[in-house]
Amino acid sequence: DVKVTQSSRYLVKRTGEKVFLECVQDMDHENMFWYRQDPGLGLRLIYFSYDVKMKEKGDIPEGYSVSREKKERFSLILESASTNQTSMYLCASSSTYSNEKLFFGSGTQLSVL
Amino acid sequence: GIQVEQSPPDLILQEGANSTLRCNFSDSVNNLQWFHQNPWGQLINLFYIPSGTKQNGRLSATTVATERYSLLYISSSQTTDSGVYFCADTSGTYKYIFGTGTRLKVLA
Repeated sequence: DVKVTQSSRYLVKRTGEKVFLECVQDMDHENMFWYRQDPGLGLRLIYFSYDVKMKEKGDIPEGYSVSREKKERFSLILESASTNQTSMYLCASSSTYSNEKLFFGSGTQLSVL
Repeated sequence: GIQVEQSPPDLILQEGANSTLRCNFSDSVNNLQWFHQNPWGQLINLFYIPSGTKQNGRLSATTVATERYSLLYISSSQTTDSGVYFCADTSGTYKYIFGTGTRLKVLA
């Protein structure tokens, strides 16, 4: 089975801190995604990457950046965390060449105080 | 871009009952998938179903691409089926758009 691993299940940070959320997948997938999930707003795409060192903005990229130096790892960076970035962050991956089924990690609940 | 509507928004069932969840799309279906989010927040991929019918145990799904909708059937529901069910499809090559979900609660 595909495994998508997010480094932290819960994270508490202070306003203004730089925050790194890490995601690793073990199935050699080309595509990786970062979503945030908020009550009443559903899942919204922040950034995605379809290859190493490639990235595309999603619907809500403001205040975030990403890094994909290796195929298996996709990092989400909050340059200066703010309270409105308190949310559940979900990483996902899919293959371009094999039916593109989307697999999710278990999520990181980030609280910014 | 593509719009995804799910119905009903909320559903309460007694254990053992059957249910049908629906997903409507505003544009052509590309890579339609159904997910279950359990109470701990984990999203599990149930089906990849851009067309046709698939079955997996008590769950089955049907997509009618020409009419831009998909149905998820849950038979003989169990309390472990509780959670939120999402459908999603791609807009463009890689960008998945999610519906707002159906929140299901199965009572013992």
